[in-house]
Amino acid sequence: GEDVEQSLFLSVREGDSSVINCTYTDSSSTYLYWYKQEPGAGLQLLTYIFSNMDMKQDQRLTVLLNKKDKHLSLRIADTQTGDSAIYFCAENTGFQKLVFGTGTRLLVSP
Amino acid sequence: GAVVSQHPSRVICKSGTSVKIECRSLDFQATTMFWYRQFPKQSLMLMATSNEGSKATYEQGVEKDKFLINHASLTLSTLTVTSAHPEDSSFYICSARGRDRGGGNTIYFGEGSWLTVV
Repeated sequence: GEDVEQSLFLSVREGDSSVINCTYTDSSSTYLYWYKQEPGAGLQLLTYIFSNMDMKQDQRLTVLLNKKDKHLSLRIADTQTGDSAIYFCAENTGFQKLVFGTGTRLLVSP
Repeated sequence: GAVVSQHPSRVICKSGTSVKIECRSLDFQATTMFWYRQFPKQSLMLMATSNEGSKATYEQGVEKDKFLINHASLTLSTLTVTSAHPEDSSFYICSARGRDRGGGNTIYFGEGSWLTVV
């Protein structure tokens, strides 16, 4: 079945790096996404990675994909208090239908 | 800027009435739009997939007569919650599939609509 798992909570200090992990189940997923959700707001697409890539870097964000282990991670360098939010990973299971993880709440303290 | 606009962002309605939420893709044509529901502190649940010009495909357990979806044009999909009840109170988010600058298929989300049924 479809199941995307994330750790529920992560706390870091400002300036540190944050690593948010995600495991997914559908090996046929074409795209894997990271979204950010701030309180009371919709989802903001942060980045995505195509399944034939191992890594993608976009400014402070680095996405690593281990297809063998079906493991996806998002690294945020130099984490700021404005990065505090809930981060969702999502996999594309076909026809662009997304299955979301449970979300990881990132808390950045000064 | 936003590429998917959702309206209204907040709505309060009386129990038994119907409420319509609009989802518009800006600057791109969305042949497929998706509607999600999010309960507090939970992940998103896909309600239905909407293809332009055809009937929506509903996920198991979602009442199609209660959540009416119309995708009449390539830039607009609407979700109508009919005969709303307090348990329908939730955060509803739409998304639309489009092409990003790199040519890849990307899904963009609207800002979401808070529905409160009193």
